[in-house]
Amino acid sequence: AQTVTQSQPEMSVQEAETVTLSCTYDTSESDYYLFWYKQPPSRQMILVIRQEAYKQQNATENRFSVNFQKAAKSFSLKISDSQLGDAAMYFCAYRSAGGSRLTFGEGTQLTVNP
Amino acid sequence: DTEVTQTPKHLVMGMTNKKSLKCEQHMGHRAMYWYKQKAKKPPELMFVYSYEKLSINESVPSRFSPECPNSSLLNLHLHALQPEDSALYLCASSRPGLAGGPREQFFGPGTRLTVL
Repeated sequence: AQTVTQSQPEMSVQEAETVTLSCTYDTSESDYYLFWYKQPPSRQMILVIRQEAYKQQNATENRFSVNFQKAAKSFSLKISDSQLGDAAMYFCAYRSAGGSRLTFGEGTQLTVNP
Repeated sequence: DTEVTQTPKHLVMGMTNKKSLKCEQHMGHRAMYWYKQKAKKPPELMFVYSYEKLSINESVPSRFSPECPNSSLLNLHLHALQPEDSALYLCASSRPGLAGGPREQFFGPGTRLTVL
């Protein structure tokens, strides 16, 4: 079974600074997808970024980028120029290429300080 | 339209009540999901429907009864719930398993359920 580990229960960052959230996963599969979801206090889960395992290039979405290290099974999220609206719980998630289930990490609560 | 809607936003019910949660999407997705989420925890998968058929039931108690009347609509019928069932119930949708690609799940805003 796949597992996803987020080792930082809480993180904080100053507004306009950069922060990196860690995620590691364990799988024996070679084809899969990885996601970062954001859940602000308003509670809606919002997809931030996704990464296909077969792609070597790291995904980027505006201020959000990932560092995907397939051999190390690591998938960290970098948030540049942090904004107050980035404050949320961030979940890392894994899905097998042929499956339906998302396996979530325990989440990292990000605080952005003005 | 990339929106998943859920009604109601909040629901308070007694242990003897019967209520239903509703989820709707118009993205043409043929896979729909129910999750249960406790505070500060990740969502836990309850049910998956693919092409309007139940494909995954994560050993959920029978007091939760899902229904998928059509490709756009997903219901969760609740009966004789327990206080420990109080949680945020999230619905999600995606392209189904037979489709290729990331098939990311899009989530609704959730229903906050309180069982007294």
